[in-house]
Amino acid sequence: EAQVTQNPRYLITVTGKKLTVTCSQNMNHEYMSWYRQDPGLGLRQIYYSMNVEVTDKGDVPEGYKVSRKEKRNFPLILESPSPNQTSLYFCASSLSQSRYEQYFGPGTRLTVT
Amino acid sequence: GEDVEQSLFLSVREGDSSVINCTYTDSSSTYLYWYKQEPGAGLQLLTYIFSNMDMKQDQRLTVLLNKKDKHLSLRIADTQTGDSAIYFCAESKGSSASKIIFGSGTRLSIRP
Repeated sequence: EAQVTQNPRYLITVTGKKLTVTCSQNMNHEYMSWYRQDPGLGLRQIYYSMNVEVTDKGDVPEGYKVSRKEKRNFPLILESPSPNQTSLYFCASSLSQSRYEQYFGPGTRLTVT
Repeated sequence: GEDVEQSLFLSVREGDSSVINCTYTDSSSTYLYWYKQEPGAGLQLLTYIFSNMDMKQDQRLTVLLNKKDKHLSLRIADTQTGDSAIYFCAESKGSSASKIIFGSGTRLSIRP
């Protein structure tokens, strides 16, 4: 089944404790992206990747890192999480040529205390 | 979502048409999209329209694009209870349309 998976789905952590949210897709998509969703703000793009080893900042990249060592994986790293990073995070992927058709993962709800 | 604006709520009677509106600011947007998010789920692409089109119809969905006013709308005919969700308008930006900007979403609720 074609899908985007994220882990964990739920995470509660404390300020400053490094964490990684994994994202994996099995559709051989070149383009992958991370978003955060906050009430009243919709989805805001954090980082995106056009292909392996190619990443770029979205609108809200501060406090986040990403890597794209393999085509299928695009982990989101919070080196020192803060409470303002409490949010619902979505990973998405699409073919490079048909970028409009993004497939979204189920989301990761992160709480930083 | 400051570049893409939507009203936050819409309530419609079952069987009526729903019209969700969106305005965007970037006249160079390549694609404009409508996504649907059901409770506890990720976003699902409903439909999209290229910026050189005025209208697109897909079963119960009709998308209208007014480039002059930078206005996009989604019409859902014969609205059903299963249409209850949050609907997001989005535009692609950048030279390679790689950045996607979402609106804040419109919550559609259906009255019996």
